[in-house]
Amino acid sequence: SQQGEEDPQALSIQEGENATMNCSYKTSINNLQWYRQNSGRGLVHLILIRSNEREKHSGRLRVTLDTSKKSSSLLITASRAADTASYFCATDDSISNFGNEKLTFGTGTRLTIIP
Amino acid sequence: GAGVSQTPSNKVTEKGKYVELRCDPISGHTALYWYRQSLGQGPEFLIYFQGTGAADDSGLPNDRFFAVRPEGSVSTLKIQRTERGDSAVYLCASSRDGSSYNEQFFGPGTRLTVL
Repeated sequence: SQQGEEDPQALSIQEGENATMNCSYKTSINNLQWYRQNSGRGLVHLILIRSNEREKHSGRLRVTLDTSKKSSSLLITASRAADTASYFCATDDSISNFGNEKLTFGTGTRLTIIP
Repeated sequence: GAGVSQTPSNKVTEKGKYVELRCDPISGHTALYWYRQSLGQGPEFLIYFQGTGAADDSGLPNDRFFAVRPEGSVSTLKIQRTERGDSAVYLCASSRDGSSYNEQFFGPGTRLTVL
């Protein structure tokens, strides 16, 4: 099963509204990352939050991490049509800080912004 | 270019054929990853290179899959005796040194279709 699982699987909102996506995972992690993917191709890195951080901001993005609940959320404020994409959380659960930091991805949330 | 590039962007082959997929990482990045993404799913880890060596190939599904990175830069993913189930988007990513704090930069992917 996937380490990270996002919900909802699909989300449609009006342009200008805020979009919130959640991610749950199972094992201890070093960090959690959020990626955006358009049209099923390359992934664009959005934000990385370390296991000792609780909240991080980047422009219109806000990410929270609750390691006690093994969950994270991604908030996109003032959504735009260009935000339409699939969003994935990915966890790095390696026990070392240097080595194979392979990522384990969830199944993603498909976000549609209605103009 | 400054980003990760992958060739070809699309590959259609017949069942039983051999294919090679190429990845050019960002210059100077020592860590290189291959992932596979099936329709409607998140990417799944295949193999990780640190320099020229495959440090972790635990994600390769079977011995028909093999990857090399002979000079520590370009990598080639090789699939023998392709099967219809191999159809997916194959994504390559690189990072500066594989550290837990380094972002992975993804290429646009190669869409493989096995008929």
